[in-house]
Amino acid sequence: QKEVEQNSGPLSVPEGAIASLNCTYSDRVSQSFFWYRQYSGKSPELIMSIYSNGDKEDGRFTAQLNKASQYVSLLIRDSQPSDSATYLCAVTRGSYGNNRLAFGKGNQVVVIP
Amino acid sequence: DVKVTQSSRYLVKRTGEKVFLECVQDMDHENMFWYRQDPGLGLRLIYFSYDVKMKEKGDIPEGYSVSREKKERFSLILESASTNQTSMYLCASSPGQGYSYEQYFGPGTRLTVT
Repeated sequence: QKEVEQNSGPLSVPEGAIASLNCTYSDRVSQSFFWYRQYSGKSPELIMSIYSNGDKEDGRFTAQLNKASQYVSLLIRDSQPSDSATYLCAVTRGSYGNNRLAFGKGNQVVVIP
Repeated sequence: DVKVTQSSRYLVKRTGEKVFLECVQDMDHENMFWYRQDPGLGLRLIYFSYDVKMKEKGDIPEGYSVSREKKERFSLILESASTNQTSMYLCASSPGQGYSYEQYFGPGTRLTVT
């Protein structure tokens, strides 16, 4: 079982719509959860952190965490062409004292003007 | 803002050369990391350092070594570069245990070994 799974293929959304990304993780002792945005040819950029169950909103981004079901999701509201990127889910690896992160392979989002 | 810098954006080396990749962070972070990122394989941890002169192997340490002589600087060394080490190399730092675990990435070095 992979530590972090992001199963959806490329996601195409029209401009102004909501993009929804999901991520599941296997380590029950993971404590911290992150979403990174990576533009083509660039390095990952941290956009959201979430530590407790429920929703966390930051601008057009909302992260949702459900530790019982071991999933974390990211919603992008009012999607813009500048949101076209690959989004990486990352969780702390509890077996390493949470200093290390496990990353998913990412979901590509394409916002169509 | 956290700033992580890497010595080169692009690097071309020959097989067998010794290669040094340098990373510097300016936020007094305890932890520093080296990853490589390859299409279809995602981000893979090569080495991790949690303090000066302290290091731990990551998931794919073979063929690499690291050095952390000062808190702000973490170097990745390819002792004898091989073509299968052609990749994007990413350095990251994080505040550390007892603080928070989010990692901040440098711009990356795209290394080509010919």
